[in-house]
Amino acid sequence: AQKITQTQPGMFVQEKEAVTLDCTYDTSDPSYGLFWYKQPSSGEMIFLIYQGSYDQQNATEGRYSLNFQKARKSANLVISASQLGDSAMYFCAMREVISWGKLQFGAGTQVVVTP
Amino acid sequence: AAGVIQSPRHLIKEKRETATLKCYPIPRHDTVYWYQQGPGQDPQFLISFYEKMQSDKGSIPDRFSAQQFSDYHSELNMSSLELGDSALYFCASSLRSGGRADTQYFGPGTRLTVL
Repeated sequence: AQKITQTQPGMFVQEKEAVTLDCTYDTSDPSYGLFWYKQPSSGEMIFLIYQGSYDQQNATEGRYSLNFQKARKSANLVISASQLGDSAMYFCAMREVISWGKLQFGAGTQVVVTP
Repeated sequence: AAGVIQSPRHLIKEKRETATLKCYPIPRHDTVYWYQQGPGQDPQFLISFYEKMQSDKGSIPDRFSAQQFSDYHSELNMSSLELGDSALYFCASSLRSGGRADTQYFGPGTRLTVL
């Protein structure tokens, strides 16, 4: 069964606007971590932000913030003030303690930032 | 800061040939992961090593094997290559500690094309 669901295959966003990428997850492990990675067309996988299951505050890293709603099992990524360089595929991933640390990825959301 | 190094970056092989992919983790990281990303797909976990011992195994074909050496670098050996093995192969490393510090950082990937 799919553990990470990203329902938005693709999105267009205008430069300087904010964009929210949806991610829901499924786990029975009480201890887990949620990650967002960015994959530009060049192919590398770039770590953006991390949220732990026990973290009380939503994670922020520069223009990236994570809207963590534990009861709803959602971990949406918010990118503020979009830039042309933000055009990429974005993957949500989960690490469960019971899974020895491997990452399980969602299908990804393709973001295109337009001028 | 030092990143994960993978070599080669590109590899072209014929069907039934063998290939060896190399990964050099970030210094002091004790865990290495291998992922396979097919065209238009999310990365799929293959295998991981913690302190030079195999710690978890995913959907890795029997034709593939991997190991981690005393200097912590890892190699993924692929034999009897098939067309379906054409993919981007990522190595990632982390410091196994749980939490934010256990973030996996990815190398640039090896793009394998099987003809």
